[in-house]
Amino acid sequence: GAVVSQHPSRVICKSGTSVKIECRSLDFQATTMFWYRQFPKQSLMLMATSNEGSKATYEQGVEKDKFLINHASLTLSTLTVTSAHPEDSSFYICSAATGDRGNEQFFGPGTRLTVL
Amino acid sequence: GENVEQHPSTLSVQEGDSAVIKCTYSDSASNYFPWYKQELGKRPQLIIDIRSNVGEKKDQRIAVTLNKTAKHFSLHITETQPEDSAVYFCAANLKPGNQFYFGTGTSLTVIP
Repeated sequence: GAVVSQHPSRVICKSGTSVKIECRSLDFQATTMFWYRQFPKQSLMLMATSNEGSKATYEQGVEKDKFLINHASLTLSTLTVTSAHPEDSSFYICSAATGDRGNEQFFGPGTRLTVL
Repeated sequence: GENVEQHPSTLSVQEGDSAVIKCTYSDSASNYFPWYKQELGKRPQLIIDIRSNVGEKKDQRIAVTLNKTAKHFSLHITETQPEDSAVYFCAANLKPGNQFYFGTGTSLTVIP
């Protein structure tokens, strides 16, 4: 149990286009989902925290108009990178938490975004 | 907010030797401390965790120790194997549903 999926796993897009990444909890209800960004050989950087049905809370320095997060249901959160540029190329990972499993969070497999 | 520091950033050991990675945290209210192993291009995998009411936890070759007074916790891997080579992250958490604060990671290489 406690499986989180992400789609797509890899995406290559042209500069200026928007890309949507989906994060799904497959066998549990995620009250909270987190979006991270990870550059090569670096740690996970929290971008935002989203709770179902409410607006996401963004970390300092993360542009909310650039990285749109929607948590429409207890099993789905989406991250949309709007007007992507090469500097947005990164590994994006989501994680999900549920009140039933205490502190533990469950990570998705990540999405490798490359902006040309 | 919470600040987690992790050392060393890189670690090389001979196969069969032990590896120790240390983390410190700043917020005494943090009460959950997981350790993750991440292979290149893959998701972090939880390998062991400890809660603040416990001083030590062991699972086969992996152990974690926690010193609440000093606000530091350590990962111990014994009898290392080449497949232990990966990046390891520590984290601290205040309460369920709250964010994890991650350390900067340790790249472990086990030399056959």
